[in-house]
Amino acid sequence: AQSVTQLDSQVPVFEEAPVELRCNYSSSVSVYLFWYVQYPNQGLQLLLKYLSGSTLVKGINGFEAEFNKSQTSFHLRKPSVHISDTAEYFCAVSGGATNKLIFGTGTLLAVQP
Amino acid sequence: SQTIHQWPATLVQPVGSPLSLECTVEGTSNPNLYWYRQAAGRGLQLLFYSVGIGQISSEVPQNLSASRPQDRQFILSSKKLLLSDSGFYLCAWSAGIYNEKLFFGSGTQLSVL
Repeated sequence: AQSVTQLDSQVPVFEEAPVELRCNYSSSVSVYLFWYVQYPNQGLQLLLKYLSGSTLVKGINGFEAEFNKSQTSFHLRKPSVHISDTAEYFCAVSGGATNKLIFGTGTLLAVQP
Repeated sequence: SQTIHQWPATLVQPVGSPLSLECTVEGTSNPNLYWYRQAAGRGLQLLFYSVGIGQISSEVPQNLSASRPQDRQFILSSKKLLLSDSGFYLCAWSAGIYNEKLFFGSGTQLSVL
């Protein structure tokens, strides 16, 4: 079975500062990894995904994530955040025979002026 | 284009009463269908997953059940609601080889009193 752990429930950061949101996964098979963002009162939007190939993936809004197989991590980073990046971020994993999507508990990124 | 319909939007039910939430998808065939529950601090919890008619995978032991009587219809049910069943329920369907595109319904806010 697969699982996803997002250790940080909330990450406060000042505007224009860099940020890293942590995600660790557990799986006995090859995985596909995703980051989704949910802005206040909106649905989920796919931010970026790792399916295969380069371990550094770039997504929308200047975000990027690096797949690290040895550390079973897929941390999300942005070099300079904006107020508009305030949202809940979910890491997700799929893989195996059914390819179902399993989400982490989410990390609230709170960008302060 | 594909659309997903979920109803009702809000529901207030007494403890011990039955539950039926319905979700239908249009514009696609044989979709993978999901029921998620979103709660503060717990993120998106996968409840049920279906790859076809009559094929339901239950992810967590609970007071709920799901059925898929038709290809594009997914129903979440309970015979007797508990207080702990309160929450925001989301139906979703996925597309893409890796299920990386997840489309959500508008959700049902269930309050069990």
